Amino acid sequence: SQTIHQWPATLVQPVGSPLSLECTVEGTSNPNLYWYRQAAGRGLQLLFYSIGIDQISSEVPQNLSASRPQDRQFILSSKKLLLSDSGFYLCAWSKDREYGYTFGSGTRLTVV
Amino acid sequence: GENVEQHPSTLSVQEGDSAVIKCTYSDSASNYFPWYKQELGKRPQLIIDIRSNVGEKKDQRIAVTLNKTAKHFSLHITETQPEDSAVYFCAARSTGTASKLTFGTGTRLQVML
Repeated sequence: SQTIHQWPATLVQPVGSPLSLECTVEGTSNPNLYWYRQAAGRGLQLLFYSIGIDQISSEVPQNLSASRPQDRQFILSSKKLLLSDSGFYLCAWSKDREYGYTFGSGTRLTVV
Repeated sequence: GENVEQHPSTLSVQEGDSAVIKCTYSDSASNYFPWYKQELGKRPQLIIDIRSNVGEKKDQRIAVTLNKTAKHFSLHITETQPEDSAVYFCAARSTGTASKLTFGTGTRLQVML
């Protein structure tokens, strides 16, 4: 069966510090991968999506970036965090357009 | 791109009553409509979905209906229980690359004892 792993679960970072969040999927190949952000009490905002290695699209201009160094690995990064980057970051995967997403357990990021 | 609107934003019902959450979408090419339940501090989890070639789907106490002509779909929960309390998100998937889901803004459902 397929599983998705996301870490860390919680993170407190100072303003201006770098960020790296990692997501991996097991039990499948060539998944579509997604990064979402959820502000407190708000909806799900798509940040990046990827349909293959080195094929990444950005949905929202910001100081975040994403990379996919391996087929089942998706990384969200920032060189300098802003206070507004605080939120609940969710990685998700889907196999193809016939299936809904499966979300990772999320990373709660607080920028102080 | 796709736009999904969801109503109401909050919903309180008595235990045992029914709850209905409604969503509309803008892209007539959208062909897949999942519903997610998110408990406090947890990840969203898929609870039911419907494809554009089906008008209704039921799974025990939950059902989803789709009206393609009007471009709206609804989640129905019958015999609500306290454990149904959560935030519910609808979503729509357009055809095209990456199969991105566009989510509604969420409905906070509270089931009162």
